[in-house]
Amino acid sequence: NAGVMQNPRHLVRRRGQEARLRCSPMKGHSHVYWYRQLPEEGLKFMVYLQKENIIDESGMPKERFSAEFPKEGPSILRIQQVVRGDSAAYFCASSPPAYRDTQYFGPGTRLTVL
Amino acid sequence: KNEVEQSPQNLTAQEGEFITINCSYSVGISALHWLQQHPGGGIVSLFMLSSGKKKHGRLIATINIQEKHSSLHITASHPRDSAVYICAVLVYNTDKLIFGTGTRLQVFP
Repeated sequence: NAGVMQNPRHLVRRRGQEARLRCSPMKGHSHVYWYRQLPEEGLKFMVYLQKENIIDESGMPKERFSAEFPKEGPSILRIQQVVRGDSAAYFCASSPPAYRDTQYFGPGTRLTVL
Repeated sequence: KNEVEQSPQNLTAQEGEFITINCSYSVGISALHWLQQHPGGGIVSLFMLSSGKKKHGRLIATINIQEKHSSLHITASHPRDSAVYICAVLVYNTDKLIFGTGTRLQVFP
């Protein structure tokens, strides 16, 4: 059973471009969480999704950021018109429906905005 | 004040020493996680606790729900234990994790 997979592992974008980060949860996991780790800061919750539903997006910036978890395929965190302050490590975690207190983390995507 | 506080922020030790990292929280929780992050690396879940004590190899985690406090202990520390250790709490009745800022541990040979 493969772990949580994220790609790309490293992403470089110029200011104003779009960044798409993908997360494939562990097999059988229907809950996905996105976290952001800014340089020299702790992890912060962004959004919690189930298949085709956003459950809690209280940690998402109001503009430019969106997330989805379609019926088929990976969860996508999308950042439009990136700015330098978006440079961070973005981690995804997943959990099974019956054990939502246990989250398994992916390796993260390190976004660098030039 | 952060809802999850860790101490110390930085810790250095000689190989073989016994290490303790502390975590205090101020919210109601349903579980507490200890995570490990190597420099530039991913996050590995070490423990999830809702009460008592858990042991895995040289690692021991305890939690006192009444005092809202948890400790992570490493016995016979080794240079490969050098990493950032992060405490995270699952807020009661939510699916949201709140993280401490981490404890950076360096173990020297």
